[in-house]
Amino acid sequence: DIQMTQSPASLSASLGETVTIECRASEDIYNGLAWYQQKPGKSPHLLIYNANSLHTGVPSRFSGSGSGTQYSLKINSLQSEDVASYFCQQYYDYPWTFGGGTNLELK
Amino acid sequence: EVQLVETGGGLVRPGSSLKLSCATSGFTFSNTWMNWVRQAPGKGLEWVALIKDKYSNYEAKYPESLKGRFTISRDDSQSRVYLQMNTLRDQDTATYYCTRPVNFGSYWFPYWGQGTLVTVSS
Repeated sequence: DIQMTQSPASLSASLGETVTIECRASEDIYNGLAWYQQKPGKSPHLLIYNANSLHTGVPSRFSGSGSGTQYSLKINSLQSEDVASYFCQQYYDYPWTFGGGTNLELK
Repeated sequence: EVQLVETGGGLVRPGSSLKLSCATSGFTFSNTWMNWVRQAPGKGLEWVALIKDKYSNYEAKYPESLKGRFTISRDDSQSRVYLQMNTLRDQDTATYYCTRPVNFGSYWFPYWGQGTLVTVSS
């Protein structure tokens, strides 16, 4: 199975700050990566697919980048509504696997 | 509007079985691959099962750890997908989500149900 290692596990940032979350795959996943946001008590919400494509309706302050085994999600100008958990998912190979998640809170 | 509504969760004893259901609407179910993803309380996400459409012979996929205990199925006439879970264990306690990709050939999940909670406890 492809292991997805996400870092940091938790993150505290101020409003307006730029935040970066990393995801490392145990092998090359050829940009087969998605990012999700999940707020407490809610279902996950797709942000990014194919490593760098913004899902419809997602604010442009979210962006994805990376290649090979290293990927990142960047949030520019952090807003209060961005407080959530974030997960990466690889779909290059079965079984599809998720990162352990990053809890983002306001400083 | 795409809707996915899971039902069937509840409190069950270890070793028992449970069948979850996901009712769908707002899209052409019969040619859509469907998935189940779960999340243990306070934990991360785990992909549980995929069932392809009739054009792919309803092929099912599972993580190796769940093969033999979990079975995904679908009823295209009812636009429903199911998850049969047998010999349940404490560690199967989770919220189970029904999900679907945007279209054929995509494997990320823009659509999720609200989830149904399964608690396995004696």
